[in-house]
Amino acid sequence: AQKVTQAQTEISVVEKEDVTLDCVYETRDTTYYLFWYKQPPSGELVFLIRRNSFDEQNEISGRYSWNFQKSTSSFNFTITASQVVDSAVYFCALRELSGGKLIFGQGTELSVKP
Amino acid sequence: DSGVTQTPKHLITATGQRVTLRCSPRSGDLSVYWYQQSLDQGLQFLIQYYNGEERAKGNILERFSAQQFPDLHSELNLSSLELGDSALYFCASSVATGEGPDTQYFGPGTRLTVL
Repeated sequence: AQKVTQAQTEISVVEKEDVTLDCVYETRDTTYYLFWYKQPPSGELVFLIRRNSFDEQNEISGRYSWNFQKSTSSFNFTITASQVVDSAVYFCALRELSGGKLIFGQGTELSVKP
Repeated sequence: DSGVTQTPKHLITATGQRVTLRCSPRSGDLSVYWYQQSLDQGLQFLIQYYNGEERAKGNILERFSAQQFPDLHSELNLSSLELGDSALYFCASSVATGEGPDTQYFGPGTRLTVL
């Protein structure tokens, strides 16, 4: 069965610290897609990144970077030099090749204090 | 702004009532998805429509139904409401069927409160 686990329920850091959000997934498919979404206090869900299972290259976008390790079924998200505006709940999600539905983790609430 | 719109933003109603949530997908997107976010269940997939046809179904209650109209907007109908139906309901859309690299973009959500 498909499952996404975000073991960190809450993380609190001080501004400018680096922070890594963990995501571990389970699937029997060999082709699948992983996603990260951000839910700021205003409530909307904002798409951050999609990663295909056959592309293990890590990705960097500004202060954000993602580390995909198929061997450990993990897709971790790092924010460097965190800012107060990064405070949000972050969700990792899995979608198998043939399905439309996203399987979400429980989310990690990140609080960045000034 | 994802380009997905949802109305209303907030809805307060009583147990036993029926409500309709509306979603307009991004321009050009053919698939619409509905998700429910609650404190105890997290984010759960309810149902997907693709170009007017139901394509996938999740843990959607029998009291809930949805449809996608010819102009591709979608409505989620919730009836015989219970306190436990209070949640944030999201609509998402994607270009194609949802398979492969298709990415879902979410609307701002409708917060439903059942009193």
